[in-house]
Amino acid sequence: DAKTTQPPSMDCAEGRAANLPCNHSTISGNEYVYWYRQIHSQGPQYIIHGLKNNETNEMASLIITEDRKSSTLILPHATLRDTAVYYCIVLIATGTASKLTFGTGTRLQVTL
Amino acid sequence: KAGVTQTPRYLIKTRGQQVTLSCSPISGHRSVSWYQQTPGQGLQFLFEYFSETQRNKGNFPGRFSGRQFSNSRSEMNVSTLELGDSALYLCASSQSTGFSYEQYFGPGTRLTVT
Repeated sequence: DAKTTQPPSMDCAEGRAANLPCNHSTISGNEYVYWYRQIHSQGPQYIIHGLKNNETNEMASLIITEDRKSSTLILPHATLRDTAVYYCIVLIATGTASKLTFGTGTRLQVTL
Repeated sequence: KAGVTQTPRYLIKTRGQQVTLSCSPISGHRSVSWYQQTPGQGLQFLFEYFSETQRNKGNFPGRFSGRQFSNSRSEMNVSTLELGDSALYLCASSQSTGFSYEQYFGPGTRLTVT
């Protein structure tokens, strides 16, 4: 699976958009980009995933660059409950594996 | 729908003992994966079971084993516990196996080895 690079930490004011970047410059054509987050002392939570088109769901938006070498997770109106570690994961589309390889993630701190 | 449940939530064991952790997936989910989380190594994949068969395995010693029952419930076992096995053990379930299925994690079992 391709390696990902994320900033170790970011701050965001409550109510503002949180934009979390992820670099995956070695991604191959059949690898998906997944985002999970882990709120302190809880299990990770799925947020969103995509291949090459931008995706949006009730939690967030995922913007993938045209060359697919990087992506940005956008939380449109961050709240204190969004304070968590956010993991960007690339996953090969084998169809037979559900293995997630977590990196060190970005610790997002949402403040008043 | 009930989420993934893990029992017990906390456990203290002595070096050299063995331990069994249990995971009940979301109803209808057939794939169960196990992960270990430590401050030093982060979240690491242990293994995945689908339809009672191990489909994928991480880079852990043979002391770590698991199984899945016909109702999709899963157990993992660690034999001859070492101090370094102290960790949060997380179980995740998904509808099926494969990249396109998001995983739903349980709250974890915190194991302390003394």
